[in-house]
Amino acid sequence: KQEVTQIPAALSVPEGENLVLNCSFTDSAIYNLQWFRQDPGKGLTSLLLIQSSQREQTSGRLNASLDKSSGRSTLYIAASQPGDSATYLCAATDTSGTYKYIFGTGTRLKVLA
Amino acid sequence: DGGITQSPKYLFRKEGQNVTLSCEQNLNHDAMYWYRQDPGQGLRLIYYSQIVNDFQKGDIAEGYSVSREKKESFPLTVTSAQKNPTAFYLCASSPPGPYGYTFGSGTRLTVV
Repeated sequence: KQEVTQIPAALSVPEGENLVLNCSFTDSAIYNLQWFRQDPGKGLTSLLLIQSSQREQTSGRLNASLDKSSGRSTLYIAASQPGDSATYLCAATDTSGTYKYIFGTGTRLKVLA
Repeated sequence: DGGITQSPKYLFRKEGQNVTLSCEQNLNHDAMYWYRQDPGQGLRLIYYSQIVNDFQKGDIAEGYSVSREKKESFPLTVTSAQKNPTAFYLCASSPPGPYGYTFGSGTRLTVV
């Protein structure tokens, strides 16, 4: 059964720093992997979706990579800003033949001004 | 604008009561999902539906029920059999195939 892990659980960085968030999954037979942002008390906002055939996706200051063979994805945030402070979750499709997602527990990011 | 609407934003339940959380989408998505989120835990799947009039249990379906009579709507009922219902509930939808989820803004349920 697919399992998704995100380490670290929390991260604090000074404003302007480039940073990498990590996501690991146990079963490489995924259809895709999606990164989300969640602000306190809010729903999840989709940031990037990487299909299994892709290696990376970019949106503005965000870049997500996917390495199926090693069971890893990273979310790179360039020139971090206080407004980037949020919890970031990754989700990988399960491998049972449906497109359901299995979620990690998230990385809580705080960008200090 | 297309999206998913969850209501109410906050809901309070007395012991022994059933309550229903609403989820409506105008994205023309076929699949809809209900997740529960507790502090320090990832999202856990309660129920999902891939087509109208059909739904399947997720990992934590006990104490919950759903219906899918319309493509746009997937209400979740938290029954009195759910012993620890206090949590943040999130609804999501997706088109056919591996094209990712769109989430609603969530409902926070508290037992009083």
